[in-house]
Amino acid sequence: GAGVSQSPSNKVTEKGKDVELRCDPISGHTALYWYRQSLGQGLEFLIYFQGNSAPDKSGLPSDRFSAERTGGSVSTLTIQRTQQEDSAVYLCASSLSQTSSYEQYFGPGTRLTVT
Amino acid sequence: KQEVTQIPAALSVPEGENLVLNCSFTDSAIYNLQWFRQDPGKGLTSLLLIQSSQREQTSGRLNASLDKSSGRSTLYIAASQPGDSATYLCAVTYGNNRLAFGKGNQVVVIP
Repeated sequence: GAGVSQSPSNKVTEKGKDVELRCDPISGHTALYWYRQSLGQGLEFLIYFQGNSAPDKSGLPSDRFSAERTGGSVSTLTIQRTQQEDSAVYLCASSLSQTSSYEQYFGPGTRLTVT
Repeated sequence: KQEVTQIPAALSVPEGENLVLNCSFTDSAIYNLQWFRQDPGKGLTSLLLIQSSQREQTSGRLNASLDKSSGRSTLYIAASQPGDSATYLCAVTYGNNRLAFGKGNQVVVIP
């Protein structure tokens, strides 16, 4: 079956502009996660959804970052007034359930470059 | 603080040698541990998932062990091939559902 998909694959934006990143999880997966991979920083957790609700938003780096999920499926990560430090690869993952025992499957990521 | 460490950061091995990659974590109260592979410019591919109650998992040439009490996992790749060249990431899950990642082992297999 289809894996996790993300769009766009690459995004170049000017500092100060807003961007939206999209994630389509594996069909039937109720849990969805956003991570960020910055050069030299490793992967860091941003936010997690169970269904349409986000029990854990603690990884969002500032109030310029927000995310939503609709219909228990597609999720959008929005970054307002982008800054150069937002440049990174944004990865989405999904799992069958919110239970921590389940394997997370990752999408190919969106590479964001803020100029 | 829940930290995950992978040593060495980078290594090169001749083709045919066995690869041994190490991962350590500071908080042993994990639910599971996953090993991932990442190719340049690509996303993460899950290789093996070990539940906290398990000691090891095997898939083909890959074997991962878990010693939860000492906070360590080892990924073994037998008879390495040039196609095994990639970055290998270790990640642990705690009760908060999020994955905590190490910074990876960058592997080059020399033909």
